Amino acid sequence: AQSVTQLGSHVSVSEGALVLLRCNYSSSVPPYLFWYVQYPNQGLQLLLKYTSAATLVKGINGFEAEFKKSETSFHLTKPSAHMSDAAEYFCAVYNFGNEKLTFGTGTRLTIIP
Amino acid sequence: DSGVTQTPKHLITATGQRVTLRCSPRSGDLSVYWYQQSLDQGLQFLIQYYNGEERAKGNILERFSAQQFPDLHSELNLSSLELGDSALYFCASSVAPSGTELFFGEGSRLTVL
Repeated sequence: AQSVTQLGSHVSVSEGALVLLRCNYSSSVPPYLFWYVQYPNQGLQLLLKYTSAATLVKGINGFEAEFKKSETSFHLTKPSAHMSDAAEYFCAVYNFGNEKLTFGTGTRLTIIP
Repeated sequence: DSGVTQTPKHLITATGQRVTLRCSPRSGDLSVYWYQQSLDQGLQFLIQYYNGEERAKGNILERFSAQQFPDLHSELNLSSLELGDSALYFCASSVAPSGTELFFGEGSRLTVL
């Protein structure tokens, strides 16, 4: 079964600084990988997804993620953080066995003014 | 706005009681998923329905049950509530039975006292 591990339950960056949220996956088959964002008091929203096409995936709100097979990673980045980026971010992998998304434990991003 | 509607947004009840959470999927989506989000266990998949039929079960307790009605709305029934059932319950929907892109509602926050 596929799984994801998010490194760092809390990340703080200054406004304007680089955002880097880490996600590593475990999968015996080429994975489908996702990043979701949860703003306060809201449901999860899809940021971007990788489904075996281009390894650099661009999403909404200036975020992007790069699939690196050699590192089994799918880290989320944004060049310049905005206050509005403060939220919880979830990495997820699609389990082909049970056809379900399995989510990581989440990373709470705080933006320092 | 994801198009997924959940009611109620907040619910406070006592141990031993029973509650029903309701979800209306996005227009055109046939699949409904229920997830539980708690601080200690993260986002856990509970159950999925597709076009009125149960399709998959995850970590759903026997005290919990769900159904999807002909109009495609779904209800999650939680009975004999315990303190540990306090959590945020999300409904999500997708077009396909093996959806890789889920659209989440804003959740129903259940507090058991």
